[in-house]
Amino acid sequence: DAGVIQSPRHEVTEMGQEVTLRCKPISGHNSLFWYRQTMMRGLELLIYFNNNVPIDDSGMPEDRFSAKMPNASFSTLKIQPSEPRDSAVYFCASSLAVRVGETQYFGPGTRLLVL
Amino acid sequence: GNSVTQMEGPVTLSEEAFLTINCTYTATGYPSLFWYVQYPGEGLQLLLKATKADDKGSNKGFEATYRKETTSFHLEKGSVQVSDSAVYFCALQPTGGGNKLTFGTGTQLKVEL
Repeated sequence: DAGVIQSPRHEVTEMGQEVTLRCKPISGHNSLFWYRQTMMRGLELLIYFNNNVPIDDSGMPEDRFSAKMPNASFSTLKIQPSEPRDSAVYFCASSLAVRVGETQYFGPGTRLLVL
Repeated sequence: GNSVTQMEGPVTLSEEAFLTINCTYTATGYPSLFWYVQYPGEGLQLLLKATKADDKGSNKGFEATYRKETTSFHLEKGSVQVSDSAVYFCALQPTGGGNKLTFGTGTQLKVEL
């Protein structure tokens, strides 16, 4: 079975540009999570969806970040405008349900560098 | 609030040595506890989990026991291999909080021949 798919795997952009990260969750999974990983702050949950509806976006850093899930098989995380401090690895994860003990399955990540 | 504290790394061991990575947590109620592993350049993978007190999770020779009395979930392996070199993350999932995960800062393990 295909796991969580993320694209692009690497992105280099200049400050001020729009960046769009994409995620395809595992088929049949109802929950989707976006995380950011940096050396300074570790792994941070940015937002998560259940049945395509955003449930908790309290981790989204500021208005420059937005996330959508138009259907069960696709989600985007957009940064506009991007800044050098947004440089990080962004992970998408999915799980079968919003349920205690449920495992999250992570994608390979998108490594973003903003110059 | 919920939090996870892990021992700082890097931890450097010789092959076949015994491994312990400490993890303690703060949470109300009875959270589920997880260990995830991240190999270089990859995403996180579930290593093992435990959903109630005194449960032992195990996988690939790794074990961790959910200790409610000490709020701990220490990771152990009797004999590490070079291929175990990775970053290990302890995480908790609170009761009644959907399945949001709170992660520790990660512990890098380096195993040398």
